[in-house]
Amino acid sequence: AQSVAQPEDQVNVAEGNPLTVKCTYSVSGNPYLFWYVQYPNRGLQFLLKYITGDNLVKGSYGFEAEFNKSQTSFHLKKPSALVSDSALYFCAVRASYSSASKIIFGSGTRLSIRP
Amino acid sequence: DVKVTQSSRYLVKRTGEKVFLECVQDMDHENMFWYRQDPGLGLRLIYFSYDVKMKEKGDIPEGYSVSREKKERFSLILESASTNQTSMYLCATHGLNTDTQYFGPGTRLTVL
Repeated sequence: AQSVAQPEDQVNVAEGNPLTVKCTYSVSGNPYLFWYVQYPNRGLQFLLKYITGDNLVKGSYGFEAEFNKSQTSFHLKKPSALVSDSALYFCAVRASYSSASKIIFGSGTRLSIRP
Repeated sequence: DVKVTQSSRYLVKRTGEKVFLECVQDMDHENMFWYRQDPGLGLRLIYFSYDVKMKEKGDIPEGYSVSREKKERFSLILESASTNQTSMYLCATHGLNTDTQYFGPGTRLTVL
């Protein structure tokens, strides 16, 4: 069965410092991996995805994520955090073997950037 | 840009009422989804649909039903609302050739 784990409920970072939001996954076969962001009182917005190819994926707002197959991880990173990055972040996974397989979301990590 | 709209941002209903949540998308996407979002639990899939008049149960379908009479519209129905259905409900869509889901703004439902 597919699953996604976001081990940190909250991550606190000072503005200007690098940030990492962790995600590990479990899926049969090759994974499709996603990061979404949710700002207060808004729906989820797509940030980036890994389907195949380069393990380092670049996305919106300066975010990037690194796919690590041996560690089954897909951590979200940004070199220099902004206060406006404060939001709820969700990692998601889908198995690639079937177009009918569901996308499974993690429990979310609240990112707080202090000025 | 894909636009996904939901009929209400906030809704307050009483226990036992029948509740309709509507989702409309303007991108001709085949796939539509209903999730509920609860703190610490992330998004949980209630129902999804791959085509008109087609529906599949997600992970937590109990107490819910859905309707998809037209491609652009996917309705979630709470037959008899209960307090444990108080939650944020999110609709999402994606097309056949993409895995990226597009979400509506959400409906925060409170059942008293």
